[in-house]
Amino acid sequence: GDSVTQMEGPVTLSEEAFLTINCTYTATGYPSLFWYVQYPGEGLQLLLKATKADDKGSNKGFEATYRKETTSFHLEKGSVQVSDSAVYFCALSDRNTGNQFYFGTGTSLTVIP
Amino acid sequence: NAGVTQTPKFRILKIGQSMTLQCTQDMNHNYMYWYRQDPGMGLKLIYYSVGAGITDKGEVPNGYNVSRSTTEDFPLRLELAAPSQTSVYFCASSPGTGGDSNQPQHFGDGTRLSIL
Repeated sequence: GDSVTQMEGPVTLSEEAFLTINCTYTATGYPSLFWYVQYPGEGLQLLLKATKADDKGSNKGFEATYRKETTSFHLEKGSVQVSDSAVYFCALSDRNTGNQFYFGTGTSLTVIP
Repeated sequence: NAGVTQTPKFRILKIGQSMTLQCTQDMNHNYMYWYRQDPGMGLKLIYYSVGAGITDKGEVPNGYNVSRSTTEDFPLRLELAAPSQTSVYFCASSPGTGGDSNQPQHFGDGTRLSIL
């Protein structure tokens, strides 16, 4: 069945450091891929998405490229800020499974000044 | 824009009590979902609905019931609360039109439920 695997956290970085959060997926069809962010006490918010192979999603300095050959969708940011501290979830939606969403377990990021 | 609204935000229940978690969306989305999020864990799908009058079980439906009488509302009911149901509950919606898988889900702010 479909699934998403994220790198284990928590991740702690200094401000202006480079961020990578790994995400790999398993899907029966050709899924769309998403990154969501959850700030403390809030719901999940869409950060970026990519709907086909080689697409790059980007938003607020974050980027992720849909790599079909490696079934990956790693999240990157060149210079993190304290305000980026949150939990990040990788997710996929697969038309072959009725557009159900499959979420990773989340990666907690803390950025220290 | 209100988006997805969940009530209440917090609730403490005694074992065996029942309650309904409310969820409403004003985006005319066809698809609605209920998830639970346990500490340090990801989201687990409880129930979902692809339109008014249609509901289906997700990964962890036991102990819960749902109904979808209107497009806007998707309440989640706990009949006999158990400590294992202590969690944060999120409602979400998506357009879900035309078989496209590229429509993101929109989430409410969650209901934090404790069963004591």
